[in-house]
Amino acid sequence: GDSVTQMEGPVTLSEEAFLTINCTYTATGYPSLFWYVQYPGEGLQLLLKATKADDKGSNKGFEATYRKETTSFHLEKGSVQVSDSAVYFCALSGSGYSTLTFGKGTMLLVSP
Amino acid sequence: NAGVTQTPKFQVLKTGQSMTLQCAQDMNHNSMYWYRQDPGMGLRLIYYSASEGTTDKGEVPNGYNVSRLNKREFSLRLESAAPSQTSVYFCASSEVAGGPSDTQYFGPGTRLTVL
Repeated sequence: GDSVTQMEGPVTLSEEAFLTINCTYTATGYPSLFWYVQYPGEGLQLLLKATKADDKGSNKGFEATYRKETTSFHLEKGSVQVSDSAVYFCALSGSGYSTLTFGKGTMLLVSP
Repeated sequence: NAGVTQTPKFQVLKTGQSMTLQCAQDMNHNSMYWYRQDPGMGLRLIYYSASEGTTDKGEVPNGYNVSRLNKREFSLRLESAAPSQTSVYFCASSEVAGGPSDTQYFGPGTRLTVL
């Protein structure tokens, strides 16, 4: 079945550092890929998505590129802020009629 | 436009008690979902409703029942609560289940403790 693997956290960075959170997936066909973010005490909200190979999703300075050859969708940001501290979830939506499959989440902690 | 709302926000139950978690969305979405979130486990799908009048089991349905009351509302019932059901429960909705349009919108969650 479909699966998503994320790097374990927490990831601890200083403000303005470069961020990478790795995400790889296993799926048949051509899934859509998503990054969701969960701020403390809140529900998840969509950060960005990509629906086909080589697409780049971007939002709020975050980017991720859909790499079919490496089955990856790594999240990057050039300069993190304290307000980016949250849990980040990679997810996929399989081709056809299916629901989302989530990774286990990666906590990001940014210090001033 | 409230998005997805959930009630209650917090609940404490004793083992064996029953309760219903309520969820409503005002985005005219067809599909709705119930997840549980546990430390180190990510989100696991309990049940979902791809469209009004249909429900299907997810990854962890045992001990739960659901009702899609109408297009807006999707409730989750615990008939006889167990300590293993202590978790944070999230409701979500999307325009359609699966594919590039499957952007799910989440409620704020219900934190449930079963003693």
